[in-house]
Amino acid sequence: AQSVTQLGSHVSVSEGALVLLRCNYSSSVPPYLFWYVQYPNQGLQLLLKYTSAATLVKGINGFEAEFKKSETSFHLTKPSAHMSDAAEYFCAAFHMNRDDKIIFGKGTRLHILP
Amino acid sequence: EAGVTQFPSHSVIEKGQTVTLRCDPISGHDNLYWYRRVMGKEIKFLLHFVKESKQDESGMPNNRFLAERTGGTYSTLKVQPAELEDSGVYFCASSLYRGLREKLFFGSGTQLSVL
Repeated sequence: AQSVTQLGSHVSVSEGALVLLRCNYSSSVPPYLFWYVQYPNQGLQLLLKYTSAATLVKGINGFEAEFKKSETSFHLTKPSAHMSDAAEYFCAAFHMNRDDKIIFGKGTRLHILP
Repeated sequence: EAGVTQFPSHSVIEKGQTVTLRCDPISGHDNLYWYRRVMGKEIKFLLHFVKESKQDESGMPNNRFLAERTGGTYSTLKVQPAELEDSGVYFCASSLYRGLREKLFFGSGTQLSVL
């Protein structure tokens, strides 16, 4: 069965520093990949998605992610962290023509240090 | 435009009681999904409605969970009787399309605590 693994349930970075949240998928066929963000007391919002058009995907709020098939990874990055980026981030995968469900990772809570 | 709304935002009940969660999807969205996140674990799929029909309920944990979507509008998820392991955050999501074009809009979730 396919799965999504996020390394680190908590990540802390200083304001202005690089943000790197890791995500790996397990599948012989590359799926469509997503990053969602959940701010406190809100629903999940789509940050960005990869659908095989381009390996580097740009999302909202300055985030981007790069699909690397050789590493089965889809890590999320942002060059300079802002206090407002503090939230929980979920990586997710979806396969067309399979069971049609989005599979989520366990989430990574991002803390921004002043 | 209103987003996906869920009610209640929090619910604390005792083991053996019944709880009903409600989800109002975005108007016009035929696809409605329920997901659950147990603390520290991944968000897991429960079931998927297309209009009033259950398209996929393979993620429902057991027969203590009953989901309905009468009339194809709002949906309810009833847990009866609730057990300790049912505690978690229950998310509802809706979408206009399925598949590649799918963009899910999530509600803010219902935090269920079973004591």
